[in-house]
Amino acid sequence: KQEVTQIPAALSVPEGENLVLNCSFTDSAIYNLQWFRQDPGKGLTSLLLIQSSQREQTSGRLNASLDKSSGRSTLYIAASQPGDSATYLCAVRPETGADGLTFGKGTHLIIQP
Amino acid sequence: NAGVTQTPKFQVLKTGQSMTLQCAQDMNHNSMYWYRQDPGMGLRLIYYSASEGTTDKGEVPNGYNVSRLNKREFSLRLESAAPSQTSVYFCASTTQRYNSYEQYFGPGTRLTVT
Repeated sequence: KQEVTQIPAALSVPEGENLVLNCSFTDSAIYNLQWFRQDPGKGLTSLLLIQSSQREQTSGRLNASLDKSSGRSTLYIAASQPGDSATYLCAVRPETGADGLTFGKGTHLIIQP
Repeated sequence: NAGVTQTPKFQVLKTGQSMTLQCAQDMNHNSMYWYRQDPGMGLRLIYYSASEGTTDKGEVPNGYNVSRLNKREFSLRLESAAPSQTSVYFCASTTQRYNSYEQYFGPGTRLTVT
């Protein structure tokens, strides 16, 4: 059974810092990996999608990398801002079988002004 | 283009009552999903529908039923609600454009069972 782990569970940093969120998964047979943002009491917003054949994806100040063979992904946030405060979720889609996502429990990020 | 919509946004039920959570998407996606989110557990898949007319169980299907009414709509029914079903329920759909299978989520339904 696929398991997804996110480290750290919570992170608080001053505004302007660059930071890295980590995601690991136990079964490397994935189709893709998706990073989401969730604000309190809200739904999930897709940030970046990396296909299994890709190594990284970038969107603005966000960069996500994928090392499928080692079961790891990182989300890099450059020049953090208070508006980046949210919970960040990592999820993987399997190569075959049930096509729902398996989620990590998230990293709760606070950017201090 | 509203994306994925869910109704209701909030609901309080008594133990044993039944209700149906509604979900619709206007993106012409084939696949739709229901997840629940609980503190400390993350999101878990309840049921999914890979295409109109098909449904399959996910990780936590007990106590739920689903109906894929048409390509746009996928409903989740609780026949006899239990306090353990207190949770936030999210509906999602997946685009297969360019074989990306990117998943999009609705705003959620917050359900409390007393």
